[in-house]
Amino acid sequence: NAGVTQTPKFQVLKTGQSMTLQCAQDMNHEYMSWYRQDPGMGLRLIHYSVGAGITDQGEVPNGYNVSRSTTEDFPLRLLSAAPSQTSVYFCASSWAWGQTSSYEQYFGPGTRLTVT
Amino acid sequence: GNSVTQMEGPVTLSEEAFLTINCTYTATGYPSLFWYVQYPGEGLQLLLKATKADDKGSNKGFEATYRKETTSFHLEKGSVQVSDSAVYFCALVTTDSWGKLQFGAGTQVVVTP
Repeated sequence: NAGVTQTPKFQVLKTGQSMTLQCAQDMNHEYMSWYRQDPGMGLRLIHYSVGAGITDQGEVPNGYNVSRSTTEDFPLRLLSAAPSQTSVYFCASSWAWGQTSSYEQYFGPGTRLTVT
Repeated sequence: GNSVTQMEGPVTLSEEAFLTINCTYTATGYPSLFWYVQYPGEGLQLLLKATKADDKGSNKGFEATYRKETTSFHLEKGSVQVSDSAVYFCALVTTDSWGKLQFGAGTQVVVTP
């Protein structure tokens, strides 16, 4: 049971390049989300999904796209990287809303992205 | 909207000292409250949680009590170890936020031998 996995661990991009951060979970969780972590700001929600085929925007969605074609995978796409997107990105998953344990989110190890 | 305020760090302590990290919140609706911990180079792990007023969450010697009257959820540990060095995040989720966690800024704790 691998939990939540993310690839790559580190990435350096030039301004304007695009890339996809991968996230997968093997716990059959319906809810998945992407956060970015910046110094002094905690974690901020980028996008989230409550099931395959359903996504919605979080607090800071601009510059990012997501899709959810399967329960397991929730990739995050940077369309045209900007230095302001330099951050550590975390993917998380949990059971769907309404179940007793739905509040506990399981986090991946993170992807550290630098945009030059 | 929802918000979480934590005391600023870093907090530097000697081993076996008492640790308190203050957390207060504002929320629409009825929140559940969490403490997450992030060890160096790792993702976040749930440390403890409380889902209703006066509940006490506890784990690994850490405790926090959900105080509705003061809108607080302070984290405490009676005797810290070097291995407790980490960043601690207070967070909440409300019934109308569809599982979206609202995090505080995090408090770095450094425990020295």
